Amino acid sequence: NAGVTQTPKFQVLKTGQSMTLQCAQDMNHNSMYWYRQDPGMGLRLIYYSASEGTTDKGEVPNGYNVSRLNKREFSLRLESAAPSQTSVYFCASRVIAYEQYFGPGTRLTVT
Amino acid sequence: GNSVTQMEGPVTLSEEAFLTINCTYTATGYPSLFWYVQYPGEGLQLLLKATKADDKGSNKGFEATYRKETTSFHLEKGSVQVSDSAVYFCALSGWETSYDKVIFGPGTSLSVIP
Repeated sequence: NAGVTQTPKFQVLKTGQSMTLQCAQDMNHNSMYWYRQDPGMGLRLIYYSASEGTTDKGEVPNGYNVSRLNKREFSLRLESAAPSQTSVYFCASRVIAYEQYFGPGTRLTVT
Repeated sequence: GNSVTQMEGPVTLSEEAFLTINCTYTATGYPSLFWYVQYPGEGLQLLLKATKADDKGSNKGFEATYRKETTSFHLEKGSVQVSDSAVYFCALSGWETSYDKVIFGPGTSLSVIP
Protein backbone atom coordinates (compact mmCIF):
# COMPACT_ATOMS: atom_id res chain seq x y z
CA ASN A 1 0.00 0.00 0.00
CA ALA A 2 1.26 3.45 -0.90
CA GLY A 3 -0.81 5.12 1.86
CA VAL A 4 -1.43 8.81 1.11
CA THR A 5 0.33 10.25 -1.92
CA GLN A 6 0.58 13.90 -2.91
CA THR A 7 1.72 15.58 -6.09
CA PRO A 8 3.67 17.67 -6.76
CA LYS A 9 6.31 17.63 -4.00
CA PHE A 10 7.50 21.16 -4.78
CA GLN A 11 5.96 24.03 -6.74
CA VAL A 12 6.82 27.65 -7.41
CA LEU A 13 4.05 29.92 -8.69
CA LYS A 14 3.84 33.56 -9.62
CA THR A 15 1.15 35.71 -8.01
CA GLY A 16 -2.15 35.21 -9.83
CA GLN A 17 -1.34 31.81 -11.29
CA SER A 18 -3.55 28.82 -10.54
CA MET A 19 -2.73 25.24 -9.71
CA THR A 20 -4.22 22.06 -8.31
CA LEU A 21 -2.64 19.93 -5.61
CA GLN A 22 -3.48 16.27 -5.93
CA CYS A 23 -4.00 13.78 -3.11
CA ALA A 24 -4.89 10.10 -3.25
CA GLN A 25 -5.22 7.35 -0.65
CA ASP A 26 -5.47 3.61 -1.10
CA MET A 27 -6.72 2.68 2.38
CA ASN A 28 -10.47 2.93 1.63
CA HIS A 29 -10.86 5.80 4.10
CA ASN A 30 -14.02 7.87 4.06
CA SER A 31 -12.60 11.07 5.57
CA MET A 32 -9.98 13.22 3.86
CA TYR A 33 -8.42 16.53 4.88
CA TRP A 34 -6.26 19.38 3.59
CA TYR A 35 -4.02 21.28 6.01
CA ARG A 36 -1.45 24.01 5.66
CA GLN A 37 1.58 24.30 7.91
CA ASP A 38 3.36 27.59 8.41
CA PRO A 39 6.31 28.23 10.72
CA GLY A 40 5.07 28.88 14.24
CA MET A 41 1.42 28.29 13.26
CA GLY A 42 1.08 24.55 13.61
CA LEU A 43 -1.43 22.80 11.37
CA ARG A 44 -4.48 24.67 10.11
CA LEU A 45 -7.40 22.90 8.46
CA ILE A 46 -8.35 24.26 5.05
CA TYR A 47 -11.09 21.86 3.94
CA TYR A 48 -12.25 18.39 4.80
CA SER A 49 -14.46 15.74 3.26
CA ALA A 50 -16.33 13.35 5.52
CA SER A 51 -17.33 11.13 2.62
CA GLU A 52 -17.40 10.96 -1.15
CA GLY A 53 -19.52 13.79 -2.50
CA THR A 54 -19.31 16.02 0.57
CA THR A 55 -16.88 18.81 1.46
CA ASP A 56 -16.83 21.40 4.24
CA LYS A 57 -14.77 24.43 5.13
CA GLY A 58 -12.16 24.35 7.85
CA GLU A 59 -10.44 27.23 9.63
CA VAL A 60 -8.77 28.90 6.63
CA PRO A 61 -10.73 28.16 3.41
CA ASN A 62 -10.43 31.57 1.72
CA GLY A 63 -8.57 31.40 -1.59
CA TYR A 64 -9.00 27.64 -1.96
CA ASN A 65 -11.45 25.20 -3.50
CA VAL A 66 -11.61 21.44 -3.22
CA SER A 67 -13.02 18.50 -5.12
CA ARG A 68 -13.67 15.04 -3.74
CA LEU A 69 -13.40 13.30 -7.09
CA ASN A 70 -14.12 9.83 -5.74
CA LYS A 71 -13.42 7.93 -2.53
CA ARG A 72 -9.66 7.84 -3.23
CA GLU A 73 -8.94 11.37 -4.44
CA PHE A 74 -9.27 14.81 -2.88
CA SER A 75 -7.77 17.77 -4.73
CA LEU A 76 -7.06 21.33 -3.58
CA ARG A 77 -7.16 24.21 -6.05
CA LEU A 78 -5.67 27.66 -5.78
CA GLU A 79 -7.48 29.82 -8.34
CA SER A 80 -5.29 32.92 -8.03
CA ALA A 81 -2.22 32.31 -5.93
CA ALA A 82 -1.04 34.95 -3.45
CA PRO A 83 2.26 35.19 -1.52
CA SER A 84 0.28 34.55 1.69
CA GLN A 85 -0.40 31.03 0.37
CA THR A 86 3.28 30.14 0.52
CA SER A 87 3.24 27.16 2.83
CA VAL A 88 3.59 23.41 3.15
CA TYR A 89 0.35 21.62 2.32
CA PHE A 90 -0.54 18.24 3.79
CA CYS A 91 -3.30 15.88 2.83
CA ALA A 92 -4.56 13.32 5.35
CA SER A 93 -7.13 10.57 5.50
CA ARG A 94 -8.68 8.34 8.14
CA VAL A 95 -11.52 6.16 9.23
CA ILE A 96 -13.68 8.39 11.40
CA ALA A 97 -12.63 8.49 15.08
CA TYR A 98 -9.31 6.77 14.30
CA GLU A 99 -5.87 8.19 13.60
CA GLN A 100 -5.05 10.21 10.52
CA TYR A 101 -2.55 9.16 7.87
CA PHE A 102 -0.62 12.01 6.30
CA GLY A 103 0.98 12.46 2.91
CA PRO A 104 4.57 13.72 2.50
CA GLY A 105 3.48 17.29 1.76
CA THR A 106 3.70 19.81 -1.07
CA ARG A 107 6.04 22.74 -0.57
CA LEU A 108 4.53 25.72 -2.38
CA THR A 109 6.21 29.08 -2.90
CA VAL A 110 4.29 32.00 -4.42
CA THR A 111 6.45 34.88 -5.63
CA GLY B 1 -15.42 23.80 21.90
CA ASN B 2 -12.72 21.17 22.01
CA SER B 3 -9.14 22.33 22.43
CA VAL B 4 -5.61 21.09 23.03
CA THR B 5 -2.92 22.89 25.01
CA GLN B 6 0.63 21.72 24.56
CA MET B 7 3.89 23.00 25.98
CA GLU B 8 5.72 24.92 23.32
CA GLY B 9 9.38 24.54 22.69
CA PRO B 10 11.88 24.43 21.58
CA VAL B 11 13.12 21.79 23.97
CA THR B 12 16.81 20.85 23.93
CA LEU B 13 18.01 17.76 25.77
CA SER B 14 21.22 15.79 25.98
CA GLU B 15 21.22 12.22 24.75
CA GLU B 16 19.88 9.76 27.36
CA ALA B 17 17.97 12.49 29.23
CA PHE B 18 14.35 12.01 30.35
CA LEU B 19 11.69 13.66 28.23
CA THR B 20 8.27 14.97 29.19
CA ILE B 21 6.07 17.01 26.87
CA ASN B 22 2.88 18.18 28.56
CA CYS B 23 -0.50 18.05 26.84
CA THR B 24 -3.88 18.92 28.31
CA TYR B 25 -7.23 19.01 26.59
CA THR B 26 -10.78 20.32 26.83
CA ALA B 27 -13.52 18.21 25.31
CA THR B 28 -17.06 17.02 25.82
CA GLY B 29 -17.66 13.32 25.98
CA TYR B 30 -14.87 10.80 25.52
CA PRO B 31 -12.40 11.87 22.87
CA SER B 32 -9.54 9.79 21.47
CA LEU B 33 -6.07 11.20 22.07
CA PHE B 34 -3.00 10.99 19.85
CA TRP B 35 0.65 11.93 19.65
CA TYR B 36 2.06 12.51 16.19
CA VAL B 37 5.71 13.04 15.27
CA GLN B 38 7.07 15.02 12.34
CA TYR B 39 10.67 14.46 11.29
CA PRO B 40 12.37 17.22 9.27
CA GLY B 41 11.03 17.48 5.74
CA GLU B 42 8.35 14.82 6.27
CA GLY B 43 4.64 14.57 6.98
CA LEU B 44 3.17 13.74 10.37
CA GLN B 45 3.02 10.13 11.46
CA LEU B 46 1.22 8.54 14.37
CA LEU B 47 3.47 7.88 17.36
CA LEU B 48 0.89 6.51 19.81
CA LYS B 49 -2.76 6.77 20.76
CA ALA B 50 -5.29 6.08 23.53
CA THR B 51 -9.01 5.80 23.06
CA LYS B 52 -10.37 5.66 26.62
CA ALA B 53 -9.55 6.77 30.13
CA ASP B 54 -6.54 5.08 31.78
CA ASP B 55 -5.35 3.62 28.46
CA LYS B 56 -1.59 3.81 27.98
CA GLY B 57 -0.28 4.23 24.47
CA SER B 58 3.31 3.23 23.80
CA ASN B 59 5.67 3.02 20.84
CA LYS B 60 9.45 3.29 20.24
CA GLY B 61 10.06 3.83 23.99
CA PHE B 62 7.54 6.68 24.20
CA GLU B 63 4.51 6.43 26.50
CA ALA B 64 1.44 8.51 27.32
CA THR B 65 -1.48 7.75 29.63
CA TYR B 66 -5.01 9.07 29.06
CA ARG B 67 -5.90 10.77 32.37
CA LYS B 68 -9.50 11.87 32.39
CA GLU B 69 -9.37 13.26 35.93
CA THR B 70 -6.63 15.73 34.96
CA THR B 71 -7.60 15.92 31.24
CA SER B 72 -4.01 15.21 30.30
CA PHE B 73 -2.02 13.04 27.90
CA HIS B 74 1.64 13.80 28.64
CA LEU B 75 4.32 12.25 26.44
CA GLU B 76 7.32 10.66 28.17
CA LYS B 77 10.47 8.82 27.21
CA GLY B 78 13.06 7.57 29.63
CA SER B 79 16.17 8.02 27.51
CA VAL B 80 16.07 10.14 24.36
CA GLN B 81 18.33 9.63 21.36
CA VAL B 82 19.56 12.03 18.69
CA SER B 83 17.20 10.30 16.25
CA ASP B 84 14.22 11.50 18.38
CA SER B 85 14.85 15.08 17.26
CA ALA B 86 11.55 16.10 15.66
CA VAL B 87 8.36 18.08 16.24
CA TYR B 88 5.74 16.39 18.40
CA PHE B 89 2.02 17.17 18.13
CA CYS B 90 -0.68 16.27 20.64
CA ALA B 91 -4.11 15.82 19.05
CA LEU B 92 -7.69 15.06 20.01
CA SER B 93 -10.50 13.51 18.01
CA GLY B 94 -13.96 14.07 19.32
CA TRP B 95 -17.47 14.94 18.27
CA GLU B 96 -18.31 18.59 18.02
CA THR B 97 -21.83 19.22 16.72
CA SER B 98 -22.14 16.86 13.76
CA TYR B 99 -18.51 16.55 12.87
CA ASP B 100 -15.84 14.36 14.38
CA LYS B 101 -13.22 17.04 14.58
CA VAL B 102 -9.47 16.60 14.92
CA ILE B 103 -7.77 19.29 16.99
CA PHE B 104 -3.98 19.62 17.01
CA GLY B 105 -1.78 21.33 19.54
CA PRO B 106 0.81 23.81 18.24
CA GLY B 107 3.65 21.28 18.28
CA THR B 108 6.78 21.00 20.41
CA SER B 109 10.16 21.01 18.71
CA LEU B 110 12.68 18.66 20.34
CA SER B 111 16.40 18.74 19.68
CA VAL B 112 18.59 16.04 21.21
CA ILE B 113 22.31 16.76 21.31
CA PRO B 114 25.02 14.10 21.63
